Amino acid sequence: DAGVIQSPRHEVTEMGQEVTLRCKPISGHNSLFWYRQTMMRGLELLIYFNNNVPIDDSGMPEDRFSAKMPNASFSTLKIQPSEPRDSAVYFCASSFRDRGQETQYFGPGTRLLVL
Amino acid sequence: QKEVEQNSGPLSVPEGAIASLNCTYSDRGSQSFFWYRQYSGKSPELIMSIYSNGDKEDGRFTAQLNKASQYVSLLIRDSQPSDSATYLCAVKWNYGQNFVFGPGTRLSVLP
Repeated sequence: DAGVIQSPRHEVTEMGQEVTLRCKPISGHNSLFWYRQTMMRGLELLIYFNNNVPIDDSGMPEDRFSAKMPNASFSTLKIQPSEPRDSAVYFCASSFRDRGQETQYFGPGTRLLVL
Repeated sequence: QKEVEQNSGPLSVPEGAIASLNCTYSDRGSQSFFWYRQYSGKSPELIMSIYSNGDKEDGRFTAQLNKASQYVSLLIRDSQPSDSATYLCAVKWNYGQNFVFGPGTRLSVLP
């Protein structure tokens, strides 16, 4: 399997612009997670989906952030409008449950820089 | 509030020594425990998972879980410079579906 796929790998944009991050989970995984990682705050869970349904979005910073999962093989995280403090590495991860145990695998991440 | 704590380090050990990484968590009822390794500029990579009390060994890695003490550790035997990375502890609780990560411990193995 190709693993979790994220695009773009790097994004540089100007404050106020819309940013869309994309994720393709591992086939057969039924949960998908979006994380943000910064030096100051570490790895933070933003939102996760189970069977394409958002389960917990309490980690989404504010209304400028939105996430969708229209089908089992695709998810987006959108920031509109972007701000310099959104600069971070954004990871997508997917997981599956096997005999009551769940394991999560990360994508390579998208490095976002908002100028 | 579910919390996972780790010593941020850096933890420095000489090559060939045993590195011991520790993690505590705040809430009982937890189910699954994971150790991830993250090299600088890379994504977290799963190296060990443990679900029941006791030890679990995989090559040079041993995970130890003590649910009564709310404590999970990772031992790395015969540490190599290539083990130098940040190690993240993650806990998944029985209720809810989210994983909570600790802040990570930076390990430096000195040649």
